[in-house]
Amino acid sequence: QQQVKQSPQSLIVQKGGISIINCAYENTAFDYFPWYQQFPGKGPALLIAIRPDVSEKKEGRFTISFNKSAKQFSLHIMDSQPGDSATYFCAALRRGNDYKLSFGAGTTVTVRA
Amino acid sequence: DAGVTQSPTHLIKTRGQQVTLRCSPKSGHDTVSWYQQALGQGPQFIFQYYEEEERQRGNFPDRFSGHQFPNYSSELNVNALLLGDSALYLCASSLAGLETQYFGPGTRLLVL
Repeated sequence: QQQVKQSPQSLIVQKGGISIINCAYENTAFDYFPWYQQFPGKGPALLIAIRPDVSEKKEGRFTISFNKSAKQFSLHIMDSQPGDSATYFCAALRRGNDYKLSFGAGTTVTVRA
Repeated sequence: DAGVTQSPTHLIKTRGQQVTLRCSPKSGHDTVSWYQQALGQGPQFIFQYYEEEERQRGNFPDRFSGHQFPNYSSELNVNALLLGDSALYLCASSLAGLETQYFGPGTRLLVL
């Protein structure tokens, strides 16, 4: 069963707009939540990651918001650019014991110029 | 500083055959994980190798096996290939005790 549920499956945003991708998890043992960006024909590239002891992390135009009580986290892409057009995956991992990343199904983002 | 490298980039096999995929981790990393990514889906964990031992395994049959060498590079072997094994196989490297995993470009396997 999928341990991380991701939505939406795809989204289209205008250049300069905000893209928002949501993920939810069930396993409360998860304590590391990365986001990966993948372009066609390439491997996933680590974009930004968060641990549950903080509610928000920002790196440039990318922000993760984390809601521990709701077991949800989201990625916000501010001022979206055509170069941001890619598939984004959220993931979760339990540090210390369990080193496997559990991925969401992915969100394809298309930024229209 | 070289990142994670994988070979070959593409491979075509027929059902029943066996395949070996290779991965060299990022410089300084000692842990290698393998993932299978079917078209349009997120990567699925196959297994992880550390100190030449399989440390963790996902829900994959015994047809999937691996190996890690003393220089930390790794191989993924798949026996008795099925059509459903067609996918992008990703290798990720990390440093033991740290959660960050860096992915290679993948090997695209097509089983006919």
